[in-house]
Amino acid sequence: KAGVTQTPRYLIKTRGQQVTLSCSPISGHRSVSWYQQTPGQGLQFLFEYFSETQRNKGNFPGRFSGRQFSNSRSEMNVSTLELGDSALYLCASSLRGNRDYGYTFGSGTRLTVV
Amino acid sequence: GENVEQHPSTLSVQEGDSAVIKCTYSDSASNYFPWYKQELGKRPQLIIDIRSNVGEKKDQRIAVTLNKTAKHFSLHITETQPEDSAVYFCAASIEGAQKLVFGQGTRLTINP
Repeated sequence: KAGVTQTPRYLIKTRGQQVTLSCSPISGHRSVSWYQQTPGQGLQFLFEYFSETQRNKGNFPGRFSGRQFSNSRSEMNVSTLELGDSALYLCASSLRGNRDYGYTFGSGTRLTVV
Repeated sequence: GENVEQHPSTLSVQEGDSAVIKCTYSDSASNYFPWYKQELGKRPQLIIDIRSNVGEKKDQRIAVTLNKTAKHFSLHITETQPEDSAVYFCAASIEGAQKLVFGQGTRLTINP
């Protein structure tokens, strides 16, 4: 079966712009979580969506937002980009979310802010 | 909130030797502890996990141990091979919160 698909794979944006990243989970998976990976901070949790509802949110500013659609696809948006937002953004999907911990990660979107 | 510390940050071992990576967590409510392997330029992949009702779990050359009292867990890789070279992440999670708190990662290098 197809894995978790993230698009685009690479992005270059200018400071102050906004960006939208997309994540298509494994078919049948209803939970999608987003993580930011940087060399200095490691993997940090952004938020988790289940059945179109945000259930969990990490400690990121309000410039980071997300949503989930009825087909479980998820998008995350970052507004007013800063240089420090340059990172690999990973999404992960799981079947039910709450009691199913078997995360499968996508390959990520590498965002570079210049 | 939960905090996960991982050591060492880098580890170099000779092919065929064993490697051990250790993690400690702060929240006693955490009850799920996965380990991920991330090769250069690739996504993290789950290699083994353990729940708090189990003290040890093995899968071929990989094993994980958990000490709930001391709040630490470890990854053991035996008979290391060059393809084991990667960055390894430990993580902790509380049941009911679909959120993993990751350690900082260990870059493991297997020397031929």
